[in-house]
Amino acid sequence: KNEVEQSPQNLTAQEGEFITINCSYSVGISALHWLQQHPGGGIVSLFMLSSGKKKHGRLIATINIQEKHSSLHITASHPRDSAVYICAVPPGSQGNLIFGKGTKLSVKP
Amino acid sequence: KAGVTQTPRYLIKTRGQQVTLSCSPISGHRSVSWYQQTPGQGLQFLFEYFSETQRNKGNFPGRFSGRQFSNSRSEMNVSTLELGDSALYLCASSLVGSSSYEQYFGPGTRLTVT
Repeated sequence: KNEVEQSPQNLTAQEGEFITINCSYSVGISALHWLQQHPGGGIVSLFMLSSGKKKHGRLIATINIQEKHSSLHITASHPRDSAVYICAVPPGSQGNLIFGKGTKLSVKP
Repeated sequence: KAGVTQTPRYLIKTRGQQVTLSCSPISGHRSVSWYQQTPGQGLQFLFEYFSETQRNKGNFPGRFSGRQFSNSRSEMNVSTLELGDSALYLCASSLVGSSSYEQYFGPGTRLTVT
């Protein structure tokens, strides 16, 4: 069993739809990262959160430490949101991350 | 602030050769982590350097090595290249380490081994 599981693996949405991507993990963590990777390969950090909820524009991330689960929501999705979204956790106190397999999102106009 | 830079961006090597990749972190960041991304295995942690010391290492063979300089710039080296080493190599910098601080990723070096 992978230590970080994401669902769904692929997601196609129409522009304007509300999107939810889920991440479950099995290790104890101090924080969880949501990352975005565009087709060119570059990775952008969207959120790092250790409790509750964070919001940046149309993106919302939530985490439930007790249930070891996090969700990334995109409101009013747009074609430019098309990317791979990756959940990652640091299993220890140092610098490594364990990654989920990613969710490939395609938003159609 | 300038972002994380990686050089070169693209590289083609043949089996058996060695390669050195470079990463310059954001100014003031002391932690540099390296990751390998392949279609089959996804993103995997290679190693992390903090203040010129390797602090953590992933499950990769000894052909993969790295170092960090006093200005926090880091290099990784892969010796005796194999076809399976073809991948996107990403580095990320953070103030201290990913568990407590946001990581900032470079654009990556795409290595092709033929």
